Order: sequence, then C-alpha cells, then structure tokens
Amino acid sequence: SAVISQKPSRDICQRGTSLTIQCQVDSQVTMMFWYRQQPGQSLTLIATANQGSEATYESGFVIDKFPISRPNLTFSTLTVSNMSPEDSSIYLCSVATGPLGQDTQYFGPGTRLTVL
Amino acid sequence: DAKTTQPPSMDCAEGRAANLPCNHSTISGNEYVYWYRQIHSQGPQYIIHGLKNNETNEMASLIITEDRKSSTLILPHATLRDTAVYYCIVPNSNSGYALNFGKGTSLLVTP
Repeated sequence: SAVISQKPSRDICQRGTSLTIQCQVDSQVTMMFWYRQQPGQSLTLIATANQGSEATYESGFVIDKFPISRPNLTFSTLTVSNMSPEDSSIYLCSVATGPLGQDTQYFGPGTRLTVL
Repeated sequence: DAKTTQPPSMDCAEGRAANLPCNHSTISGNEYVYWYRQIHSQGPQYIIHGLKNNETNEMASLIITEDRKSSTLILPHATLRDTAVYYCIVPNSNSGYALNFGKGTSLLVTP
C-alpha cells in the first residue's frame, strides 16, 4: 500500500484567488491522479499527473484552470486558479501502484476547499 | 470503463452479512473488478479486487460469476463502522486505468 498526505487539509479562500494543493506519497509510484468531489456528488477525475510531462486532462477540465505539476515520482501539486464558489469541493489525490490495469489506487485524505 | 450498475441503497443489521451486488455485463476479458468505499468526508478506501476467481481478504470477500458479468461484495459481519458508500468499478485502458466512480451503493448498517 501507499501512504498519501495532502496539504492543506482544508482552506477557505476568496473568489478570484488561487490555491495550490500538495500531494506527497511515501514511495515512488507509477501513476498519480487528481479527483474532485463536489458537495453531495461522487468523485470526478480531473487529470492524470504525468512525471516529466504535461498532465492529461479529462473532458471539462483545462490546464489554465487546474495546472498540475509532478516533478518526481512521489510528489504532485494541483492548483485551483481564479477560484469561484463553484470550485468549492473536496480535492483528492490518488496514486496507483503495480501494473496498470491490475494495480490498486490509494487515496489521500482530501483537501476540503470552500470559496467565498 | 465498463459500465457498472449498483442499487442506490441497502440496509443491513449489525453482525449480519452485507451482500452488495454489482452488474458489469460489458466487462472485457482482461478487466478487473474493484471495490472501494467512502466513509463520510474521508478519501475512498480500497477494499478488494479480482479478475475471475473469488477473492477474500481481511475486509471482505468478492464473488465473481463465471461469466464475469456480475459480482457481489460480501462483508461477513457488518459493523456500524461499515456504513459508507460502496463503489464497484471496472477500469480499462481507454481511461488510462483511472477510476470512474459512479453513484455507488449507500450501505446503512443499523444496530
């Protein structure tokens, strides 16, 4: 298994500002993902964080709004840019260990974001 | 992802077995079935996964039908702490093996 930490655990931000969320894993992992969970909803994949290259975004999510970095195999950041109240969600980092398709994904505790 | 269908909610008495069904009739031969759960306000927790054979670990058992079109997650002795939303997921290469969380089954374990 993998132990994942996220910072901050929660934050309250003003409209128009940006917040960078950090995800740290205790071991090197093949894949890292960022998800969003809006209030009362299920998880939605934002993007796959690729080490050494640009992230791969899902439909409806763009790099200008959610820039992602992954400088190494144990760390990634997600920035929520120019925030609006609609960005209020829990943002979760997950990592995959093992061969793709047979691996297990482990999730961080999440970052609860409230935008006023 | 192969589409999965789960009942929206289920109840189970504490101490009894909770059997959570999932249909995945479009699953391909090399795709695994994964189960996760999410307890309120926490990150999803991995439970178990399997391909063809039944699987068991310290948390649960996974029973996969011979045609692989459906599966059942069994919590043998449910406790109040098992109250959560349970997700049955079949990731595939088209989605980069990322997990597509549907609505899941909300399991309520009652005293």
